[in-house]
Amino acid sequence: QQQVKQSPQSLIVQKGGISIINCAYENTAFDYFPWYQQFPGKGPALLIAIRPDVSEKKEGRFTISFNKSAKQFSLHIMDSQPGDSATYFCAAGLETSGSRLTFGEGTQLTVNP
Amino acid sequence: NAGVMQNPRHLVRRRGQEARLRCSPMKGHSHVYWYRQLPEEGLKFMVYLQKENIIDESGMPKERFSAEFPKEGPSILRIQQVVRGDSAAYFCASSRQGMMTEAFFGQGTRLTVV
Repeated sequence: QQQVKQSPQSLIVQKGGISIINCAYENTAFDYFPWYQQFPGKGPALLIAIRPDVSEKKEGRFTISFNKSAKQFSLHIMDSQPGDSATYFCAAGLETSGSRLTFGEGTQLTVNP
Repeated sequence: NAGVMQNPRHLVRRRGQEARLRCSPMKGHSHVYWYRQLPEEGLKFMVYLQKENIIDESGMPKERFSAEFPKEGPSILRIQQVVRGDSAAYFCASSRQGMMTEAFFGQGTRLTVV
């Protein structure tokens, strides 16, 4: 009930291409879905987040698409750049005090120049 | 305003020794979360603490692991009698109100057990 499944495990994209990472969750009570970006040797940094009352959220080149009925959400990186090369984690949780996040397994993105 | 500070950044311990990991939250933050990241895996929740209180320790292994967040000073994650399987990156996050929606992560402590 608490799992978050993420795919693919790794992704190679050419500069300028679109990177797409998918996640599926089980717990229908989850109401907060963030994406984190992690560079080697660094901690995860919040990239973008969505709540289930909207189906899409866009911030610059990053877009989250959310499908509540399918219990899936995805991250799209438009015009991917070599500097986007990092590990991306989706997560899910409750937007209430004291709630923890359940993370996906991560996707290692490589953007070739 | 400094971010979440974790130290040491790297820690090497022999099997059977104790490991102490420290986390200083951001200024004004009184809620701390500890997560563990095994190689090639996502982050797994371990424990959530408020000043002087453990709120949720459902992710903590039952033995050898303990955590505290005293009134003064950093939060400490303590691992007694370390084993090779404890080798991982341990991340701390802090927040003002106890909501992960507004939490920031530190850079982590990478523990290697030899």
